[in-house]
Amino acid sequence: QVTLKESGPVLVKPTETLTLTCTVSGFSLSNATMGVSWIRQAPGKALEWLAHIFSNDETSYSPSLKSRLTISRDTSKSQVGLVMTNVDPVDSATYSCALAAGTLIYFDYWGQGILVTVSS
Amino acid sequence: QSALTQPASVSGSPGQSVTIPCTGSSSDIGALNFVSWYQLNAGRVSKLILYDVRHRPSGISDRFSGSKSGITATLTISGLQADDEADYYCNSYTTSGTFIFGTGTTVTVL
Repeated sequence: QVTLKESGPVLVKPTETLTLTCTVSGFSLSNATMGVSWIRQAPGKALEWLAHIFSNDETSYSPSLKSRLTISRDTSKSQVGLVMTNVDPVDSATYSCALAAGTLIYFDYWGQGILVTVSS
Repeated sequence: QSALTQPASVSGSPGQSVTIPCTGSSSDIGALNFVSWYQLNAGRVSKLILYDVRHRPSGISDRFSGSKSGITATLTISGLQADDEADYYCNSYTTSGTFIFGTGTTVTVL
């Protein structure tokens, strides 16, 4: 059974750096045809794609957030991380990771998400 | 990149069909067939229901079907059931190597 679980701080102050971790169980992140994205949803808003990492460690970022995001993969820990710098209250949202388990770009498995609030 | 455009809500009676259009641009839906649809239910975990415009993952009902014409992809739910009530999002891979979601549609079963 494949599961994804997000972890990180639930409260971050404006201008600080947010670091999130997605731990994947039941699936190897060394798989040659996999990809993992971070996606967020602010309260009452639509899903917003943030970043993606492919099995060859190629990365892709939302153009509007590219300067503030870094996605990385640690296959030994079965984790994918996301770093967002200089957070603002508008970054308050539920952050989820999603796994494309064999298609590179279609998200077969999703985590439950972690609600992050940016507030002083 | 702006979000793909979907209607905010659609509704139908049990047994009816509903369609959800998803309009993009020549850089995403219009250029590639990498369109997918996700169902976000009350449990708030998303489920992949269509990929490559019209293909269903294993276990997804054939009541869900997809199509594409030009810059618009469409999800059709036939034989509407109560447990189809959910939010639905389209997604497209883009020519820039990024992803883009739609604005989301809430399906209500009357």
